[in-house]
Order: sequence, then structure tokens, then C-alpha cells
Amino acid sequence: KQEVTQIPAALSVPEGENLVLNCSFTDSAIYNLQWFRQDPGKGLTSLLLIQSSQREQTSGRLNASLDKSSGRSTLYIAASQPGDSATYLCALGGGADGLTFGKGTHLIIQP
Amino acid sequence: SAVISQKPSRDICQRGTSLTIQCQVDSQVTMMFWYRQQPGQSLTLIATANQGSEATYESGFVIDKFPISRPNLTFSTLTVSNMSPEDSSIYLCSVEVHSVTFNEQFFGPGTRLTVL
Repeated sequence: KQEVTQIPAALSVPEGENLVLNCSFTDSAIYNLQWFRQDPGKGLTSLLLIQSSQREQTSGRLNASLDKSSGRSTLYIAASQPGDSATYLCALGGGADGLTFGKGTHLIIQP
Repeated sequence: SAVISQKPSRDICQRGTSLTIQCQVDSQVTMMFWYRQQPGQSLTLIATANQGSEATYESGFVIDKFPISRPNLTFSTLTVSNMSPEDSSIYLCSVEVHSVTFNEQFFGPGTRLTVL
């Protein structure tokens, strides 16, 4: 059974810093890896999707990497802004099995 | 992408009653999923709902407690039956959208359920 761990559980940094969120998983036979953000009281917003055959994806200030051999993914946020404050979730799977989620990293960017 | 709406957005219910949550998608999709997010926890898959077939439930979830309907390719309902305070959670539906190169999941805004 796939297990997904996210470190750190919470992070608070001043505005402008670059930061890295970590996600590790136990089963490297994955289909997709998705990073989401969840804002309080709201649903999930898909940020980046990395297919099993890919190593990384970029969208604006976000960059996600995937290393299946080590069972790790990272989400890099450049030049953080207060609007980046949210919970960031890593999820693996896809297809008929749905997604397996980590518990998330609660991120606060201090103005 | 896909735009997903859910009704109700939140509800407060009494123990022993049932609540049906609706999920509407703006395009036809084969796979729809229902997830639960308990307070302070991450999302857990309840079941997969494909049109024209019975829903497939994950370990720990049963049809009598969480009956699901999928009458067409844009709509699904999840019922939380005989509710107890332990059912207080956010319930989210999601869909998988297929492109030429990849499949991606999108989520609705969720239904926040409180059971007294």
C-alpha cells in the first residue's frame, strides 16, 4: 500500500525567501504525482502534475521534481509571497485507483 | 481542466440522519471520485464512481454507509447515512480529465459536514 509522507508539517518564513517542500513515497510504481494547494475552507487547486516518465515540471515560480528511484519529490517555491500561504499537498496515483495523499505542509509566508 | 460544483457547501446535521451531497461537473467525465478529509487530516479516498457501474469502495468504507449514485457523465451523489459525530468531515468529489499525454485530477470545493 502506498504511503506518502510530507516534511515539514508546518513552515513559516519571511516573504521573499525561496523554499522547498518535501514529499516521500514508498511505492515507486506510480502513475502520476500531483502537487495541490488547499486554502482554508476551500477545495484543492492543482499546481503541478508530473507523469511517471518525467523528472520535473515548472509553472511560474513553482518547480516540482520527481525521483522515483529514491521515492522523493520536491516542490520549490521561488521568491515566496504572502499569497502563497496555504497547505500544500502531495498526491500519488491516478487512474481508477484515485490518489493517495500526504498529510500536507502548512505554509505561512510572513509579510 | 474541469469546473466542479458541490451542494451543499456546508451543513450541520443531527445524529442518526442522512445527508446527500451533489457533485456537478461542467464536462463529461468517465471517472469521478469521492474523498473524505477529517479534521486535521489529509484526504482519504472513499470510492470511485463510474457511470453505468456500481461504485468501487476502498477498505473501511461500505455502500450501506456511503451509497453513491452516478446517473450520467456529469453528475454524482454521495449519501452519508445514519450519521454520527465521527462523520464530521469535509467531503470532496473529484474527476479525472484525460489529455493526449496525461491524466489529471481536479477537485470540487468540498462539503463541510458537522454532525451534532
